[in-house]
Amino acid sequence: AQKVTQAQTEISVVEKEDVTLDCVYETRDTTYYLFWYKQPPSGELVFLIRRNSFDEQNEISGRYSWNFQKSTSSFNFTITASQVVDSAVYFCALSGTNQAGTALIFGKGTTLSVSS
Amino acid sequence: DSGVTQTPKHLITATGQRVTLRCSPRSGDLSVYWYQQSLDQGLQFLIQYYNGEERAKGNILERFSAQQFPDLHSELNLSSLELGDSALYFCASSVRTGTNEQFFGPGTRLTVL
Repeated sequence: AQKVTQAQTEISVVEKEDVTLDCVYETRDTTYYLFWYKQPPSGELVFLIRRNSFDEQNEISGRYSWNFQKSTSSFNFTITASQVVDSAVYFCALSGTNQAGTALIFGKGTTLSVSS
Repeated sequence: DSGVTQTPKHLITATGQRVTLRCSPRSGDLSVYWYQQSLDQGLQFLIQYYNGEERAKGNILERFSAQQFPDLHSELNLSSLELGDSALYFCASSVRTGTNEQFFGPGTRLTVL
């Protein structure tokens, strides 16, 4: 069965601190996709990144970076120099590639609070 | 703005009632997914349609049903509502079924009293 674990329920930081959100996944698929979504207080789900299982290169987008390590089944997300606008719930998700397994399996989410 | 629209934004109803949630996918997207977000269950996949046909089912109750119409919009029907059905219901769309990123609508918040 597929499973995503986000062990950190809540994280509080002060502006300009770096913060890493952890994500550990379980799957028996050899090909799969990993995602991060952001849910700000307004409630919508905002797509941040998709990574396929064959691409272990780390990715950086502005203040955001992602570290994918297949050996530890982890896909961690780091925000550098955090800002108040980063306050949100962040979800890690997993999907397979077969017809029946393309839905997103979400973790429970990590609530990030950034104070000024 | 993801391009996915959902109506209504809020819905308040009573136990035992039936409601219909509507979703219009992004232009060109053939696949529609429905998810439920509740405090106790988190974000759960309910059902997927691709170009009018049901493609996959998740933890969808028998009291719930969905369909995708020829113009690709989708409706989620919830009947015999219970207090526990109160949740945020999201629709997402993607270009095709599979591994493309799913873009989510703003959600419909359902409150069952």
